[in-house]
Amino acid sequence: QSVLTQPPSESAAPGQTVAISCSGSRTSIGNNYAAWYQKLPGTAPKLLIYENYKRPSGIPDRFSGSKSGTSATLAITGLQTGDEADYYCATWDSSVSAYVFGPGTKVTVL
Amino acid sequence: QVQLQESGPGLVKPSETLSLTCSVSGDSISTDQWSWIRQAPGKGLEWIAYVSSSVVSRYNPSLRDRLTISMDTSRNQFSLNLKFVTPADTAVYYCAKTGGGGGLFWCDPWGQGLLVTVSS
Repeated sequence: QSVLTQPPSESAAPGQTVAISCSGSRTSIGNNYAAWYQKLPGTAPKLLIYENYKRPSGIPDRFSGSKSGTSATLAITGLQTGDEADYYCATWDSSVSAYVFGPGTKVTVL
Repeated sequence: QVQLQESGPGLVKPSETLSLTCSVSGDSISTDQWSWIRQAPGKGLEWIAYVSSSVVSRYNPSLRDRLTISMDTSRNQFSLNLKFVTPADTAVYYCAKTGGGGGLFWCDPWGQGLLVTVSS
């Protein structure tokens, strides 16, 4: 059972926006920074967002992150078929001194 | 750019030790932190541990008692040993460069992953 909560699935039509929530606690997202990863089948996870909102080089600005209190959100605008993947939030949890991942959200492009 | 490659046996018997190595190119492991992460079939991502030559290594509490993580700076490799494995340890194992410090933490880039099956 993850200390982070994500919806199991989200879907939207091409070109639309999907927002994925990640709910934690004071000792996880509340006092630390969130990251987001994209996992395509058969490939290694890719870092999309770190430090709540920063994008690594090469990640398009269609992907954006935000944090409020003990929750973080990943927004994907201009949805493309290639965005169909599992998305994981992650953060350091100070209560257990461990890096924790959310259960993942499957994004489907309708 | 930094590249990571996992290596090790794809099949381990129950109760034995799973040993994996991550070879790093394009960067010195002495100057950064490095993590192991796994994904069991049909499950989510699970962080295992990180190792660094400059800060105290950290382990997932649920695996700590069975884990040993080490670094070989002469070979630019780091390794994972997981003792007393069971079929529940069957997973794709990834190594990754780890950034941040304190409450700031991220993994990038990742190796391609190695499927390890625990079965007799």
